[in-house]
Amino acid sequence: DTAVSQTPKYLVTQMGNDKSIKCEQNLGHDTMYWYKQDSKKFLKIMFSYNNKELIINETVPNRFSPKSPDKAHLNLHINSLELGDSAVYFCASSQLMTSTDTQYFGPGTRLTVL
Amino acid sequence: GNSVTQMEGPVTLSEEAFLTINCTYTATGYPSLFWYVQYPGEGLQLLLKATKADDKGSNKGFEATYRKETTSFHLEKGSVQVSDSAVYFCALTFYGGATNKLIFGTGTLLAVQP
Repeated sequence: DTAVSQTPKYLVTQMGNDKSIKCEQNLGHDTMYWYKQDSKKFLKIMFSYNNKELIINETVPNRFSPKSPDKAHLNLHINSLELGDSAVYFCASSQLMTSTDTQYFGPGTRLTVL
Repeated sequence: GNSVTQMEGPVTLSEEAFLTINCTYTATGYPSLFWYVQYPGEGLQLLLKATKADDKGSNKGFEATYRKETTSFHLEKGSVQVSDSAVYFCALTFYGGATNKLIFGTGTLLAVQP
């Protein structure tokens, strides 16, 4: 009965590779997000999708491409991985524009680029 | 711009001590305010929130009051436990707009010793 799930939990890969992280929510929310947490624990929004449409893109490099096949899924594909991409990536979801709009987070994916 | 400032950590306390973690914000408009908690190796969990001035959010013995006059949302707990050891994030967002990205503070590590 997990609300927001991510796979994989850990991802270790070489520089230059392409990898994907998947996110699914079963809360019936219409909006999903990707956040990046760096080594100092700082959290920053990367992308947001509402009803499968991109609504936030926070000047993230083009190597990062989110894809939302439906409202319950938001995947993150990363091309040509760099050392600086090493971080924990969190997916979140919410029901936008409601008085009870609260973001619920997944468990995170720890990406290590060697 | 909009931002959140939290007190630097780590905060180290003995069990049953009183906890305060300071959080102040800068915002154009009237944001909603949140405290999220991240236990070791886990994702973020919503701890409490307040959506308008003078609201008090509370959960698991933690409290925070939305103070518009001092633009603050300090987290307090009367008696901490070892199990409260975690990183605490203060955050803000704006409901009702086309986007509602969360803007986080840098996080405060709390270590409670038995």
